[in-house]
Amino acid sequence: KAGVTQTPRYLIKTRGQQVTLSCSPISGHRSVSWYQQTPGQGLQFLFEYFSETQRNKGNFPGRFSGRQFSNSRSEMNVSTLELGDSALYLCASSLGSGGNTIYFGEGSWLTVV
Amino acid sequence: GENVEQHPSTLSVQEGDSAVIKCTYSDSASNYFPWYKQELGKGPQLIIDIRSNVGEKKDQRIAVTLNKTAKHFSLHITETQPEDSAVYFCAARLRVESGGGADGLTFGKGTHLIIQP
Repeated sequence: KAGVTQTPRYLIKTRGQQVTLSCSPISGHRSVSWYQQTPGQGLQFLFEYFSETQRNKGNFPGRFSGRQFSNSRSEMNVSTLELGDSALYLCASSLGSGGNTIYFGEGSWLTVV
Repeated sequence: GENVEQHPSTLSVQEGDSAVIKCTYSDSASNYFPWYKQELGKGPQLIIDIRSNVGEKKDQRIAVTLNKTAKHFSLHITETQPEDSAVYFCAARLRVESGGGADGLTFGKGTHLIIQP
C-alpha cells in the first residue's frame, strides 16, 4: 500500500509570495493533518482535516490555511511568505480523526528567500 | 496545552549496547504516546506507540514504558545497530476513541542517537 505522498518535495519562494503544498493520504485514510518542522521550534501541529472539515488548529497565524477534498487529498497554503516560514512541512494521515495512529509523509522542503 | 520534554538531546552508545530516551508530559489527560524515528531528509517514521491503559509494550528490540502517575514514558532500544542511528521523537496526544476531534500531536525536541561502531 502506498504511503503518504507529498508534492512538491522541494521549492524556493520569495518573501511576499504564496505557496500551495499538496498531500495524498494513505488509501482509505480520511484524516489529514499538517505539521511544520524547523530546527528552532521542532515539530509543531498546524491543523487537521477530516471529511473536508477542519477539526483542529494549532497556534499559527491566519496566513496558514488548508483544505481537504472529497477524495481525502489535502492542500495547505501559506500566503505572504516570510523568511521564518522556511521549514519542512509534513503531512500525516490516519484512518479517522482523533483516535488513530498517525503516519507521516516525506515532507515538502520550503525555502523562503 | 500539552508540553513534552525529551532527554537527552544527544545520545552516543556503542554498537550492541542499549539506549534509553526519556520523555515527560504535562497534561494528565493525554492518553496516547507514539515514538517516531526520523532519518536525514525523510519524514518521521512511527516505530512504536503506547496507550495509557498499558504500562509497557515491546516490539523485537524496541520497548516503551509508561508511568502515568509520574507522567513520563521511555523508549528502550536493545542490541543497538548502526541503522538505529537517527533522530527519535516522542509525542503525546489526547486520543478520542469516539472519533471526535482532538488536538494534534505535541512533540518533544528530539534525541539524536549515534551508534558508535
